[in-house]
Amino acid sequence: DSGVTQTPKHLITATGQRVTLRCSPRSGDLSVYWYQQSLDQGLQFLIQYYNGEERAKGNILERFSAQQFPDLHSELNLSSLELGDSALYFCASSVGVSYNEQFFGPGTRLTVL
Amino acid sequence: AQSVTQLGSHVSVSEGALVLLRCNYSSSVPPYLFWYVQYPNQGLQLLLKYTSAATLVKGINGFEAEFKKSETSFHLTKPSAHMSDAAEYFCAVSESYGGSQGNLIFGKGTKLSVKP
Repeated sequence: DSGVTQTPKHLITATGQRVTLRCSPRSGDLSVYWYQQSLDQGLQFLIQYYNGEERAKGNILERFSAQQFPDLHSELNLSSLELGDSALYFCASSVGVSYNEQFFGPGTRLTVL
Repeated sequence: AQSVTQLGSHVSVSEGALVLLRCNYSSSVPPYLFWYVQYPNQGLQLLLKYTSAATLVKGINGFEAEFKKSETSFHLTKPSAHMSDAAEYFCAVSESYGGSQGNLIFGKGTKLSVKP
């Protein structure tokens, strides 16, 4: 158990819908990262927050957005969903901003029908 | 841009045999390198990391990796495979410059099978 929690574990929805994925980092960790794992793209970094502020953006679509709240939990919002958005979405957390070990949550499996 | 290449999407070894999973990176500056393992239906777990200290890094579960700058490699090894080692292994490099410091760039992964 990494100490990072993600909800829900599974999510099945239809094209065009909007969903929210939630992540609680390990106690004491200030950085939260979101990654997408799909068969064709592999593991890709989406976005990072540090202590409530957006720190870095990766290959995140404009239809996707995230935020980190004062209690440090984070939410990833995915809207206008397409079939190709079906993937495993991982949240990771670390103590600082860079070069720190990242601890991964169990992931949320999103299926878009 | 930094990148990671893992040679072999599938590797199969017999129980007790040497495990060798290959990883090459491209980076213009000394990188931070990581190996993660993913068991079925689980998240990623850190096996070991290289952060410019000793070039031979020992990790959990008997795994180790050697950083070779001249070969831009960071191969993962284990002397004797166990059935419980069957999983997918990911090599990753940490962005080392600019505003994306710390974000991980992953290889495509290598699925390890262990035969009894």
